[in-house]
Amino acid sequence: QQPVQSPQAVILREGEDAVINCSSSKALYSVHWYRQKHGEAPVFLMILLKGGEQKGHEKISASFNEKKQQSSLYLTASQLSYSGTYFCGTESGSNDYKLSFGAGTTVTVRA
Amino acid sequence: DVKVTQSSRYLVKRTGEKVFLECVQDMDHENMFWYRQDPGLGLRLIYFSYDVKMKEKGDIPEGYSVSREKKERFSLILESASTNQTSMYLCASYRGRSGYTFGSGTRLTVV
Repeated sequence: QQPVQSPQAVILREGEDAVINCSSSKALYSVHWYRQKHGEAPVFLMILLKGGEQKGHEKISASFNEKKQQSSLYLTASQLSYSGTYFCGTESGSNDYKLSFGAGTTVTVRA
Repeated sequence: DVKVTQSSRYLVKRTGEKVFLECVQDMDHENMFWYRQDPGLGLRLIYFSYDVKMKEKGDIPEGYSVSREKKERFSLILESASTNQTSMYLCASYRGRSGYTFGSGTRLTVV
């Protein structure tokens, strides 16, 4: 079953912050985050393994709450280059390797 | 860097045709995947493979089959193309915890 992402879309001005949430009804082993720009392939941002760790990529960070089966992606001091569609991908087992992806959150950053 | 190459960027096929989508990766990854991407639905898993000659159904395998005769190549086959298979098809390769590497995608239109 696909995880649920929220919000569906968000519009930001440069320098503003945003949070994207990803929620699953299944127990999770890991959560991946990807960004896809228009007309391009999704690009891997980061992976979070169960244990509640937080990771970062530039000024983009994420957390994973395995008890709640939720992950959040934080866009801090957004830049124009952050525009795109963000997807979370969830993995249920340690040797599963296949991901279920959310429907995506479209982020638009304006000058 | 891992490269995943999909043979066609755009394809137009007629209803009932047999369609082959090719995917090649250059980093000796065991795990390969085929997803389709539709607006509002995100990425949905069609088939995946953990090794040569091995294949597993994903969430939406109906109307598709796959072939993996060599480790680097994973082919998606539409046995008899239908208009509801018009979509963007993404191939991905994966090893360990470095995230998926996606190909550029094939936009298939069935008329």
